Amino acid sequence: DIQMTQSPSSVSASVGDRVTITCRASQGISSWLAWYQQKPGKAPKLLIYTTSSLQSGVPSRFSGSGSGTDFTLTISSLQPEDFATYYCQQANSFPLTFGGGTKVQIK
Amino acid sequence: QLQLQESGPGLVKPSETLSLTCTVSGGSLSSSSYYWGWIRQPPGKGLEWIGSISYSGSTYFNPSLKSRVTISVDTSKNQFSLKLISVTAADTAVYYCARRGLVAREYLQYWGQGTLVTVSS
Repeated sequence: DIQMTQSPSSVSASVGDRVTITCRASQGISSWLAWYQQKPGKAPKLLIYTTSSLQSGVPSRFSGSGSGTDFTLTISSLQPEDFATYYCQQANSFPLTFGGGTKVQIK
Repeated sequence: QLQLQESGPGLVKPSETLSLTCTVSGGSLSSSSYYWGWIRQPPGKGLEWIGSISYSGSTYFNPSLKSRVTISVDTSKNQFSLKLISVTAADTAVYYCARRGLVAREYLQYWGQGTLVTVSS
């Protein structure tokens, strides 16, 4: 199985800050990586797929990069609605696996 | 717009079987292109993929759950189902059903709202 490791597990930031979350795969997954945002009591929402493609309707302040084993989600200017937990997920192969999550909290 | 809705008991006793159904609307379960999946999330914890099934019954499972999980599909009802046997408190979680979008990789674009299942006597 491919293990996904996210860091940090939590980050405190202010509105307007740039936030970067990293995700590392235990083996190469090419660009087959997605990022999700989850708010309390809600299902996860797909933000980015294939490392850097923005899902329809997702603001352009979200971006993704990386390839192989190391990936990054960046929020260029944090907005109040962005406080949430973010998960990466590899789509290279079954079994699908998620990172442990990164909680973005208000500073 | 594709919609998924989980249903089933919210309380299951230890050692018994957890059974959930996902009803699909706005699309057909019979489409050959897609896998239909189950994911769970224990309270306050992260996401865990349980398994996925195609309309033809081809399945993939999380190795850590494989011995206890069955996923089946009922195309006549446009539903797919999850059974998890011999449950313990560790199986207490919100259970989601989900499916990918048009991109031919398992990026889970469509999710049900989730249903909380508590394992307790």
